[in-house]
Amino acid sequence: QQQVKQSPQSLIVQKGGIPIINCAYENTAFDYFPWYQQFPGKGPALLIAIRPDVSEKKEGRFTISFNKSAKQFSLHIMDSQPGDSATYFCAASPLTSGTYKYIFGTGTRLKVLA
Amino acid sequence: ETGVTQSPTHLIKTRGQQVTLRCSSQSGHNTVSWYQQALGQGPQFIFQYYREEENGRGNFPPRFSGLQFPNYSSELNVNALELDDSALYLCASSLSSVHREAFFGQGTRLTVV
Repeated sequence: QQQVKQSPQSLIVQKGGIPIINCAYENTAFDYFPWYQQFPGKGPALLIAIRPDVSEKKEGRFTISFNKSAKQFSLHIMDSQPGDSATYFCAASPLTSGTYKYIFGTGTRLKVLA
Repeated sequence: ETGVTQSPTHLIKTRGQQVTLRCSSQSGHNTVSWYQQALGQGPQFIFQYYREEENGRGNFPPRFSGLQFPNYSSELNVNALELDDSALYLCASSLSSVHREAFFGQGTRLTVV
């Protein structure tokens, strides 16, 4: 119930393509869903986050789609660029008093070809 | 405004030794969390500190301990190091315990030999 399942494990797209990364969860106590981008040797950087009362959120070229009934959410990267090549992690945070830990997915390694 | 900084960036220790990792939270942030990221995996929550008190812990043994100081900087201590402790240790800070956005440092790469 505490897991976040992420797919695919790796993804290769051409420049300008729209990679889609999917995540699924079971625990209905999760109420905050961020996405992080991580380059080799660096810490994760927050990209965008969504709460379950919203079905879609856009920030620049990044869009989160959220399906509360299916307990699924996904990240779309519009007009992908070689500089977007990185590992992407979805995460979920349960609503517990005072502790906002993140449960991370296993990551998706994205490669955007020039 | 400075970001989250961690030290050292790399560290090699021998099995059985003890290690201390340090984190300076982002300016104005009073909540610090620590995560362990094994190679090829997502980060795993170790614990969180809010105003110098531990207020949440993941599934890690007691040999993982921490501190938070009055300036909200933090330390992660690991005793009796095991080979499986080799990982990237990440510190994340949040504006407060009610703000959900967490900002990560660059991590400390710990290698146990």
